[in-house]
Amino acid sequence: GIQVEQSPPDLILQEGANSTLRCNFSDSVNNLQWFHQNPWGQLINLFYIPSGTKQNGRLSATTVATERYSLLYISSSQTTDSGVYFCAADGGGSYIPTFGRGTSLIVHP
Amino acid sequence: GAGVSQSPRYKVTKRGQDVALRCDPISGHVSLYWYRQALGQGPEFLTYFNYEAQQDKSGLPNDRFSAERPEGSISTLTIQRTEQRDSAMYRCASSVSSGNTIYFGEGSWLTVV
Repeated sequence: GIQVEQSPPDLILQEGANSTLRCNFSDSVNNLQWFHQNPWGQLINLFYIPSGTKQNGRLSATTVATERYSLLYISSSQTTDSGVYFCAADGGGSYIPTFGRGTSLIVHP
Repeated sequence: GAGVSQSPRYKVTKRGQDVALRCDPISGHVSLYWYRQALGQGPEFLTYFNYEAQQDKSGLPNDRFSAERPEGSISTLTIQRTEQRDSAMYRCASSVSSGNTIYFGEGSWLTVV
């Protein structure tokens, strides 16, 4: 099945800083999603983005399917952005989303 | 319902007991997925259904784990003869159909003592 790798594993920011999270995948994808796991353990959908670029407020995401990666941009980070960010991809003949190990983000005030 | 609903939210059970975890997907969603997530890890696939048919159960760790979705809506994940290594968050997700956005419930925390 498809392999998903995320980097960096951990990230610590000062409030107001910008950051870029990366997701690499091993095969052509049908679908790719970004999630935020908040400190209470809820998995919140951020983007459904098999290709192209989308923006939602301070967050944006870009997937370059031909080069097998996706990027999540967080601008002007806030303490409420803290948590773990996961990407999940399905492809390589399967429609079952496979998750990466996540990027743990801490934003200090 | 408005979102995916899971119950119980927290379950503590003694080793050797059976547990049943319930998932009520978003109304009208055809596809339903079960994942397991250990602390510090990403969700790992267990099994998924389209309507009432179990399409893939390759992620179930052993034959103590089973799942059903008899009427194509609510699903139950059953773990028999629980072991301490079964302790984890069990997550359910649903989507309109395979290959579309998946939405997760709040999860069921299982602790086996």
